[in-house]
Amino acid sequence: EAGVAQSPRYKIIEKRQSVAFWCNPISGHATLYWYQQILGQGPKLLIQFQNNGVVDDSQLPKDRFSAERLKGVDSTLKIQPAKLEDSAVYLCASSLGGPGDNSPLHFGNGTRLTVT
Amino acid sequence: GNSVTQMEGPVTLSEEAFLTINCTYTATGYPSLFWYVQYPGEGLQLLLKATKADDKGSNKGFEATYRKETTSFHLEKGSVQVSDSAVYFCALSDTNSGYALNFGKGTSLLVTP
Repeated sequence: EAGVAQSPRYKIIEKRQSVAFWCNPISGHATLYWYQQILGQGPKLLIQFQNNGVVDDSQLPKDRFSAERLKGVDSTLKIQPAKLEDSAVYLCASSLGGPGDNSPLHFGNGTRLTVT
Repeated sequence: GNSVTQMEGPVTLSEEAFLTINCTYTATGYPSLFWYVQYPGEGLQLLLKATKADDKGSNKGFEATYRKETTSFHLEKGSVQVSDSAVYFCALSDTNSGYALNFGKGTSLLVTP
């Protein structure tokens, strides 16, 4: 099966600019996650969708980050305006089931963002 | 809140050595526990999991046992190979996190011939 697709692989922007990341989950996967992985740390959940509804966005900095999953398939994550501390790898993951059934997460290769 | 603590890396071992990567957790409920692995240039992938106390997860020669009494889920392998060189992440999920994964910081493993 095709894996989780993310684009772009790399992005370099200046602080205060905006940026968007795109994710296409595995076909049929109901749940989609965006994680932020800062160098030397484990991934941190930003937002979790089930179909096109938000399950958890408690750790999403909503003053600058936004995410949507229209039609319950693809998703975009946007940062506007970016700060230096947003430099990280942004990981998208999807799972077949919903919260509570412990379906394994399938991760994309991530987008590496550098903010200068 | 929930948290996962892993031993600091990097860990460097010779081929065929025994591997232990320690992981302890804090959770308010009854979490499921996972080990994910990230090989160089690849995405995170599930290595093994355990969903209740005393369960043992195993895959590719790796094992980890869910120990509720010590709140631990240590990863072990009896004989590592060069191809095991990767970053290993311990993670948990439970109802308090909406079942999303809560990761540790990761432990880098380098196996030399």
